Amino acid sequence: SQQGEEDPQALSIQEGENATMNCSYKTSINNLQWYRQNSGRGLVHLILIRSNEREKHSGRLRVTLDTSKKSSSLLITASRAADTASYFCATLASGGSYIPTFGRGTSLIVHP
Amino acid sequence: DTAVSQTPKYLVTQMGNDKSIKCEQNLGHDTMYWYKQDSKKFLKIMFSYNNKELIINETVPNRFSPKSPDKAHLNLHINSLELGDSAVYFCASSYGGGLGETQYFGPGTRLLVL
Repeated sequence: SQQGEEDPQALSIQEGENATMNCSYKTSINNLQWYRQNSGRGLVHLILIRSNEREKHSGRLRVTLDTSKKSSSLLITASRAADTASYFCATLASGGSYIPTFGRGTSLIVHP
Repeated sequence: DTAVSQTPKYLVTQMGNDKSIKCEQNLGHDTMYWYKQDSKKFLKIMFSYNNKELIINETVPNRFSPKSPDKAHLNLHINSLELGDSAVYFCASSYGGGLGETQYFGPGTRLLVL
């Protein structure tokens, strides 16, 4: 069954604004990762957050993880037109599963 | 240098044909994957190999057969192609036996079955 679900499915903002995307999952996880996919390209890893971590930063990216709510958020601050892409969360369920599960992604459009 | 490469980038073929997609990684990773992304962008894992051994085989028709000649290569052979096989296929690799480590993706192979 599908694990991660991103919300919203689509997001359209102006350059300079912040963009927030959410990911919800169903079972306990070992870690959660966020990836970006530019149109027509492969996925690029952004951040990995482990189940015992609550927040991680990387440049303009901030990821939070709330295991009690089984949800994560990705915040992109001061967005740029180049941030236009689809953003996916991927979860690895705990319990020895080797199967990473991706959601359907949030399509972000940043207007210049 | 390309970390994970796939060939071909585009593949247009008729129903019933047999085709192969090749994947190579030069990152020294020990785990490789094949994913299928449908038109709705849903990305689903198909196979995973660790040190040339199959560790994940999701519910994929047996018309799909992965082959890993060595740790740096994981090729995907598809027999008797069907319309529903049209999708983008991504190869990926990671280090650590697939235990949720960062995956590096190839550029994708866009398969269109007519």
